[in-house]
Amino acid sequence: AQTVTQSQPEMSVQEAETVTLSCTYDTSESDYYLFWYKQPPSRQMILVIRQEAYKQQNATENRFSVNFQKAAKSFSLKISDSQLGDAAMYFCAYRSARTGGGADGLTFGKGTHLIIQP
Amino acid sequence: NAGVTQTPKFRVLKTGQSMTLLCAQDMNHEYMYWYRQDPGMGLRLIHYSVGEGTTAKGEVPDGYNVSRLKKQNFLLGLESAAPSQTSVYFCASSYSVGGNSPLHFGNGTRLTVT
Repeated sequence: AQTVTQSQPEMSVQEAETVTLSCTYDTSESDYYLFWYKQPPSRQMILVIRQEAYKQQNATENRFSVNFQKAAKSFSLKISDSQLGDAAMYFCAYRSARTGGGADGLTFGKGTHLIIQP
Repeated sequence: NAGVTQTPKFRVLKTGQSMTLLCAQDMNHEYMYWYRQDPGMGLRLIHYSVGEGTTAKGEVPDGYNVSRLKKQNFLLGLESAAPSQTSVYFCASSYSVGGNSPLHFGNGTRLTVT
């Protein structure tokens, strides 16, 4: 079974600064997908960014980028120019890409609560 | 474009009562999921379905039952609620299992069992 670990229960950053959220995972599979989801106080789960394990290039979405280290099984999220609206819980998640796998959805980490200081 | 709709949004039950949570999606998705979210625990999979008429157990299935009689609906039932089932419940769906088919989530149901 796969596991996802987010070792930072809470992080705090000044507005306009850069922050990196850590995520490591454990799997014996070689093909998989990784995701970061944002959950603001509204409780809505919002997809921030995704990464296919077979792609060496790190995914980027505007101010959000990842540092994907496959050998180290690490998938960190960098938020540049932090804004007040970035305050939320952030969840790292894993999905198998093996044939017949992935049907059981995502495996989530326990989350990191990001606080933005004005 | 409603996406994934969960009803109800809030519910309070007494121990031993039963209830059903409804999840409806209008995106013609094959895969549907029920997760529970507890503080400090992230989201954990309760049950899932890979198509109409099929269901399977997830990580924490005890005390819950599900049904997928119609492709667009996925029901989660609690036959005899317990305080340990106090949680926020999320339904999600996806078109396929690929990375280009991420999960779409409902807005959650907050359930309190007293």
